[in-house]
Amino acid sequence: EVKLVESGGGLLKPGGSLKLSCVASGFTFSNYWMHWVRQAPGKGLEWIGEIEYDGTETNYAPSIKDRFTISRDNAKNTLYLQMSSVRSEDTATYFCTLSARGFDYWGQGVMVTVSS
Amino acid sequence: VLVTQTPSSLPVSLGDQASISCKSSKSLVHNNGITYLAWFLQKPGQLPQSLIHTVSNRFSGVPDRFSGSGSVSDFTLKISRVEPEDLGVYYCLQYVHYPLTFGSGTKLEIK
Repeated sequence: EVKLVESGGGLLKPGGSLKLSCVASGFTFSNYWMHWVRQAPGKGLEWIGEIEYDGTETNYAPSIKDRFTISRDNAKNTLYLQMSSVRSEDTATYFCTLSARGFDYWGQGVMVTVSS
Repeated sequence: VLVTQTPSSLPVSLGDQASISCKSSKSLVHNNGITYLAWFLQKPGQLPQSLIHTVSNRFSGVPDRFSGSGSVSDFTLKISRVEPEDLGVYYCLQYVHYPLTFGSGTKLEIK
């Protein structure tokens, strides 16, 4: 059974940093691109970015480019999202997703709140 | 790429057919010939569920009352006989052009 479990969310102040993790199980993690998607309270889904199988290629949405960094540790079956210089508009639930054919599986999400 | 999803709200009666449109500002056909358009359902308070990938292919376990169709830049999700568990917000996603973009969502609700 595929499982994606995010952690690391919480409350932080504008300008702060936070690192989210997503632990994967039930599939060969190193064979798949992985993505982060977020959802602000009461709003729609927004793609954040993606990382290639071995971490050599990443792509980001303009809204978070140069502030957020996606990485992975295939030995630990873990995906990361390093968030820096956060703003109030980064307040959202963050989901990690496995992309085999098209966002096949989603984690349950982790909440990040940016507030002074 | 702008993805325009309509309607934003879709009141239906149980057993009715429902249809949701998703139009993109660019062709979603990749150089490899595959069209990268997917559909998701998010029920209240839950994580998104994957319904359809590459326009018309259902993910494992998705009932066959869900069907996707369309080509190039004009796509449709149809639910043939709406059941109570189908209620929620539907999103389309184009995943051929960067940045990947979701439609704004269609809320399927009881009339």
